[in-house]
Amino acid sequence: DAGITQSPRHKVTETGTPVTLRCHQTENHRYMYWYRQDPGHGLRLIHYSYGVKDTDKGEVSDGYSVSRSKTEDFLLTLESATSSQTSVYFCAISARGFIDEQFFGPGTRLTVL
Amino acid sequence: QKEVEQNSGPLSVPEGAIASLNCTYSDRGSQSFFWYRQYSGKSPELIMFIYSNGDKEDGRFTAQLNKASQYVSLLIRDSQPSDSATYLCAVNPPQGGSEKLVFGKGTKLTVNP
Repeated sequence: DAGITQSPRHKVTETGTPVTLRCHQTENHRYMYWYRQDPGHGLRLIHYSYGVKDTDKGEVSDGYSVSRSKTEDFLLTLESATSSQTSVYFCAISARGFIDEQFFGPGTRLTVL
Repeated sequence: QKEVEQNSGPLSVPEGAIASLNCTYSDRGSQSFFWYRQYSGKSPELIMFIYSNGDKEDGRFTAQLNKASQYVSLLIRDSQPSDSATYLCAVNPPQGGSEKLVFGKGTKLTVNP
């Protein structure tokens, strides 16, 4: 398995509270991604990073921010959680080689009440 | 709008049969194509990738790509109950970069003993 961990693995929070999810990799890969997965929508890209302090928005970035201060860590923050952000969040990494396959972390199940 | 379409299923096959999973994509000129397997409650796991027209075989799995028809498929020979999962097709469109990987919503496969 690719060396990717996510924390926490499960979280229940209340509407309006801030939440930070962490992705940690031991592969020294340059690219890191945050996705959310919802029934009927599949995997959707929230934000991605192509290096330390280099990030960009994905398809569903509203309400989310990210930070990457070290190669190995990519943080996803919900500044004020809403019930629509209840989802399973996956981190992925890529070495950005010729084929550019992505490898996924175990996921975080977030419930916003 | 970049789209990747998959039949949501469920697709049900008997043990030992060939399972055929299909995917179409809208962005002509897309460069590389990926199949992920996702067990219930788990993260997506890369099974195969393909980037040239034709077939690519890996054990019981064969990926088929037809760029003219914008069609990619995954065949699973000698299907086993352990193959029961949701299979996600992902496409890297011509703008390139793994940040633009687009996922289909997945096809749920059930292999009956």
